[in-house]
Amino acid sequence: DIQLTQSPSSLSASVGDRVTITCRARQSINSYLNWYQQKPGQVPKLLIYGASSLQSGVPSRFSGSGSGTDFTLTINSLQPEDFATYYCQQTYSLMSSFGQGTKVEI
Amino acid sequence: QVRLVQSGAEVQKPGASVKVSCKASGDTFSDYYIHWVRQAPGQGLEWMGRINANSGGTNYGLKFHGRVTLTLDTSISTAYMDLSGLKSDDTAVYYCARAKVYQSYGQFDYWGQGTLVTVSS
Repeated sequence: DIQLTQSPSSLSASVGDRVTITCRARQSINSYLNWYQQKPGQVPKLLIYGASSLQSGVPSRFSGSGSGTDFTLTINSLQPEDFATYYCQQTYSLMSSFGQGTKVEI
Repeated sequence: QVRLVQSGAEVQKPGASVKVSCKASGDTFSDYYIHWVRQAPGQGLEWMGRINANSGGTNYGLKFHGRVTLTLDTSISTAYMDLSGLKSDDTAVYYCARAKVYQSYGQFDYWGQGTLVTVSS
């Protein structure tokens, strides 16, 4: 399995803040890195695929960057509905894997 | 519209097996992989395996290899996840999700609603 490490594990932020979450892979995964948002009691939702492509319908305040082993999810101007847990996922390997999650709290 | 509808909650005893179904609609079933992901209470997402809905080819996570079996019934656009030798730490919500076979990055664009499996004596 390709291990993904997210940092931080949790963070506190305020509405309007710019938030950055990082995801590091143990080996190069090119751009096969996706980001999901999950709110309590809900199904994960795809935000970013291929490291930097915005999924249809996702607000443009979400953006992704990186390639190889280091990736970033940025939320510009955090909104109340953005408080959630965020997961990175690699699909480079035949066996996919997720990061441990980053909880964004008020 | 695209939907993945999973079977209902299950309660099973330790050592038993559970079979969860995932019925797809709204798109061409054979164009996709169906992946299975689980989430234990208060924990993160854990990838279990995938099945190619066209060829039936499977890949399993190392942790689950030998205990999980993924199958299809293409006549009803349904995928199944069978987990055997249940233990208490298999208590989790189990999700199915789809990824296009020829999609660029294999991302999971639609998910089932989740099935809670509780393992308890």
